[in-house]
Amino acid sequence: DGGITQSPKYLFRKEGQNVTLSCEQNLNHDAMYWYRQDPGQGLRLIYYSQIVNDFQKGDIAEGYSVSREKKESFPLTVTSAQKNPTAFYLCATTPLLGYTEAFFGQGTRLTVV
Amino acid sequence: GIQVEQSPPDLILQEGANSTLRCNFSDSVNNLQWFHQNPWGQLINLFYIPSGTKQNGRLSATTVATERYSLLYISSSQTTDSGVYFCAGDQAGTALIFGKGTTLSVSS
Repeated sequence: DGGITQSPKYLFRKEGQNVTLSCEQNLNHDAMYWYRQDPGQGLRLIYYSQIVNDFQKGDIAEGYSVSREKKESFPLTVTSAQKNPTAFYLCATTPLLGYTEAFFGQGTRLTVV
Repeated sequence: GIQVEQSPPDLILQEGANSTLRCNFSDSVNNLQWFHQNPWGQLINLFYIPSGTKQNGRLSATTVATERYSLLYISSSQTTDSGVYFCAGDQAGTALIFGKGTTLSVSS
């Protein structure tokens, strides 16, 4: 069953903790992306990767980190340096960076308690 | 980077009405997409439309790339059309940039 799987769907974090959001794809797409959505807002780009072992900062990368050790996986770590991490996080893929149609996972809702 | 402006920000319709949503870009884009965000937050791909016109049932979209805008038409709206509609575009070697969305509410 092809697609993009994000886990967990819901995540609760205590202040000062790091948490990692998972994004896995079996579409054989080279490029992967992380976006953040706040209530009533559009999606803002956090990080993207066009190939294994390479990634670039987006517009709001501060307080986040990523890795791309495998083509299928692009985990996002929300660090304690992120001042306001409560948001909805979406992962996307495209066959190549900046080409053709993008597809999204179902998202992870992160809440700081 | 490019700026994406969507209008109107909010739209309230009676079931059966037609509507037009607009998306303007500050610069030329390679790939233009329309999405519908459902109540659970998932982004549903509606159209991949860098240029021209496409139709899918009651929905259609037109992109005029030379004038840097796209339109999404919804005809005979239904309550299930409610949600947030986003357009997004990118340029070569970059990631999709999103507008802030149009929130559509369709009442019966």
